[in-house]
Amino acid sequence: DAGVIQSPRHEVTEMGQEVTLRCKPISGHNSLFWYRQTMMRGLELLIYFNNNVPIDDSGMPEDRFSAKMPNASFSTLKIQPSEPRDSAVYFCASSFASGNTIYFGEGSWLTVV
Amino acid sequence: GESVGLHLPTLSVQEGDNSIINCAYSNSASDYFIWYKQESGKGPQFIIDIRSNMDKRQGQRVTVLLNKTVKHLSLQIAATQPGDSAVYFCAERANYGQNFVFGPGTRLSVLP
Repeated sequence: DAGVIQSPRHEVTEMGQEVTLRCKPISGHNSLFWYRQTMMRGLELLIYFNNNVPIDDSGMPEDRFSAKMPNASFSTLKIQPSEPRDSAVYFCASSFASGNTIYFGEGSWLTVV
Repeated sequence: GESVGLHLPTLSVQEGDNSIINCAYSNSASDYFIWYKQESGKGPQFIIDIRSNMDKRQGQRVTVLLNKTVKHLSLQIAATQPGDSAVYFCAERANYGQNFVFGPGTRLSVLP
């Protein structure tokens, strides 16, 4: 299995630009998670989906952030407009079901200048 | 509320020695725990897990110990190698179907 696949691996963008991060979960997994990792706050859960349906988005920082999961094999996390404080590593992860072991992708390293 | 914390944010050990990484948790209802390893530039990787009905579980060179009385979790790495250098996270699950809460992590540095 290829594991959780994320793209882009690295992105540098200017403040105000739209950023779209993409994720392909492990085949057969029906829970998908978006995490953000910073030095100050560690790993934070932003949102998670079960069977393509958003279950808990209470971790999404503000309306500039949105996530979609149009099908079982694809999800996006969008930031519009981006701000320097959004600079972080964004991880996508999946599990067979909510509460089971979570497997992480390699992350998307975002820098907003 | 639920929280997972680590006693030692950094740990340096000599190559070949055993390492012990500790984790305290506050939710007595937590029923499942996982240790993750995160190498520089990579995502967290599953190392070993343990359920609350166990107090010890062993893997290859790693052992996880769970003390529910004091709500403490530890990861022991035998014969620590340079490749073990990473940040280690513990994660707890409040109960089945709930999501994991991650600790802040401990950085393990292996000295030659």
